[in-house]
Amino acid sequence: EPEVTQTPSHQVTQMGQEVILRCVPISNHLYFYWYRQILGQKVEFLVSFYNNEISEKSEIFDDQFSVERPDGSNFTLKIRSTKLEDSAMYFCASSPGTGRGSYGYTFGSGTRLTVV
Amino acid sequence: GENVEQHPSTLSVQEGDSAVIKCTYSDSASNYFPWYKQELGKGPQLIIDIRSNVGEKKDQRIAVTLNKTAKHFSLHITETQPEDSAVYFCAAERRDDKIIFGKGTRLHILP
Repeated sequence: EPEVTQTPSHQVTQMGQEVILRCVPISNHLYFYWYRQILGQKVEFLVSFYNNEISEKSEIFDDQFSVERPDGSNFTLKIRSTKLEDSAMYFCASSPGTGRGSYGYTFGSGTRLTVV
Repeated sequence: GENVEQHPSTLSVQEGDSAVIKCTYSDSASNYFPWYKQELGKGPQLIIDIRSNVGEKKDQRIAVTLNKTAKHFSLHITETQPEDSAVYFCAAERRDDKIIFGKGTRLHILP
């Protein structure tokens, strides 16, 4: 069964450093997402991406965040200057389509980001 | 915007008994309601979903019901087994196609 692959599985970084979280979505999917889950809390939407541009972003997704699809397979989330409160699990997801009554997402296993 | 409420936050059920998790949503235009299971250290996995033109859907031991009028939907797991222990998230798709999650229910299956 096709999978969404995320790397690394765990990243520790110093406060103020930049991190890049990487995702390889399912190859024929067109819509890509990043979600965040602070330990023990709900899964929160960060950003959606379609046709090489951001289609929607949440209030969490401020100027320190950016996303990119640098080639045909990777989808990255960059956090420019990490803060302690950025420590969380970051999940990438992809979907073949969207629209009302859509298809559901396939999630990756996540990257645990720890900012120290 | 859409708001999804989920109850209970924790549920302990004797093995073999049934478990029910309930959710409500606020956006009457939402018409797609997936349920995800998250095991420790893993990402959410879609286990079942329901669309608004259907009131109930069943897949083996798992069933979902949807009451559009009341904006309620529920997950029912029958004959629970130890491997059902996980965190379960309900979700609703808003008109702009962003999925909004509930806060999750930690389900413990007791031996």
